[in-house]
Amino acid sequence: EPEVTQTPSHQVTQMGQEVILRCVPISNHLYFYWYRQILGQKVEFLVSFYNNEISEKSEIFDDQFSVERPDGSNFTLKIRSTKLEDSAMYFCASPGLGTDTQYFGPGTRLTVL
Amino acid sequence: AQTVTQSQPEMSVQEAETVTLSCTYDTSENNYYLFWYKQPPSRQMILVIRQEAYKQQNATENRFSVNFQKAAKSFSLKISDSQLGDTAMYFCAFIGPLNQGGKLIFGQGTELSVKP
Repeated sequence: EPEVTQTPSHQVTQMGQEVILRCVPISNHLYFYWYRQILGQKVEFLVSFYNNEISEKSEIFDDQFSVERPDGSNFTLKIRSTKLEDSAMYFCASPGLGTDTQYFGPGTRLTVL
Repeated sequence: AQTVTQSQPEMSVQEAETVTLSCTYDTSENNYYLFWYKQPPSRQMILVIRQEAYKQQNATENRFSVNFQKAAKSFSLKISDSQLGDTAMYFCAFIGPLNQGGKLIFGQGTELSVKP
């Protein structure tokens, strides 16, 4: 199975602080996705990113969220001013080459205190 | 809008037995893909099996197989010879054509416990 990596594995932050979650998707692919899973709930789509632009975003992805691909390989999700309700697992996903199948990174567990 | 429904929040099965997890979905698309993902306690999302809507043949992966009923919009997962390591949350997911963004839409999940 193709490998997607994410860092950090766990991030603890104070409410109102900025956090940056990082992902290294499958190389040479143009589509990337971020998903969120609040504990005990289903996985929800946040945003898709195609060819260095946001392709689609959900209602959850409001102005406090942003995505970037700063160096052509890493893919970041920034939350500008975290809220308690942002506590969740955040998954990066990337399709395998020549397929629509999305492979997930191990996730970053974000805890906002 | 596409939706995915898993009506069984929890299920249990004895080791070595067979269990079937249900999933229904709603879409107006003709070309799409369906997936089952496994989420063990580590919370990693692991692909179990995929099905292309244009294929009539049901997908199989070792002990895992699906019953895909396109007209009924049903996509159930059968796990044969259940093992303790199969204990996990299982999510059914739908994806439309990639040229429409290709985001995954997940069901609510079924928590499966395999008992020794």
